[in-house]
Amino acid sequence: EDKVVQSPLSLVVHEGDTVTLNCSYEVTNFRSLLWYKQEKKAPTFLFMLTSSGIEKKSGRLSSILDKKELFSILNITATQTGDSAVYLCAVNSWGKLQFGAGTQVVVTP
Amino acid sequence: NAGVTQTPKFQVLKTGQSMTLQCAQDMNHNSMYWYRQDPGMGLRLIYYSASEGTTDKGEVPNGYNVSRLNKREFSLRLESAAPSQTSVYFCASSELVQGGNEQFFGPGTRLTVL
Repeated sequence: EDKVVQSPLSLVVHEGDTVTLNCSYEVTNFRSLLWYKQEKKAPTFLFMLTSSGIEKKSGRLSSILDKKELFSILNITATQTGDSAVYLCAVNSWGKLQFGAGTQVVVTP
Repeated sequence: NAGVTQTPKFQVLKTGQSMTLQCAQDMNHNSMYWYRQDPGMGLRLIYYSASEGTTDKGEVPNGYNVSRLNKREFSLRLESAAPSQTSVYFCASSELVQGGNEQFFGPGTRLTVL
């Protein structure tokens, strides 16, 4: 059975800290892994990863995929209160996305 | 461009009532999806339509039906609502690109079944 597991489920950090979120997966016919940010509304797209070892960056956020060990990490450096959200990992298999349960990040001032 | 739109934003039903959730996209995408999101469970796929004229079951299809009315519109129907269907429903659309597809989400419908 396909599964996507995110850890931790939640964490609280102070502004300026660095956060590392984990996503491991077991799926058939892997095509890509996607990260979304959700702030009490619709998920918004962050990254799509298809190749191992190639880091994707957008400002203070970065992500990398390891297709051998079947996991991805999402890093957020110099966190701000605006980074507070649920971060969702999803794996594309057979054209459909399977989501993990998400990691809730709370950034305190 | 409005992107993906959903109606209604909120709805309260009594057990046994029926309703249809509407979704439309203006990005000319071929594929459309319906998800439900429950606390602590991420998003689960209910039904999807890879292209106009086709629909397929996702992970949790029981109690739902869908209609791909045309390329823009994809509706989700609850024939006889149950309290277990209380959830937030998201519609999404995508265009298949090499290596996978980024999905764009609508604002969601918060449904409560009493």
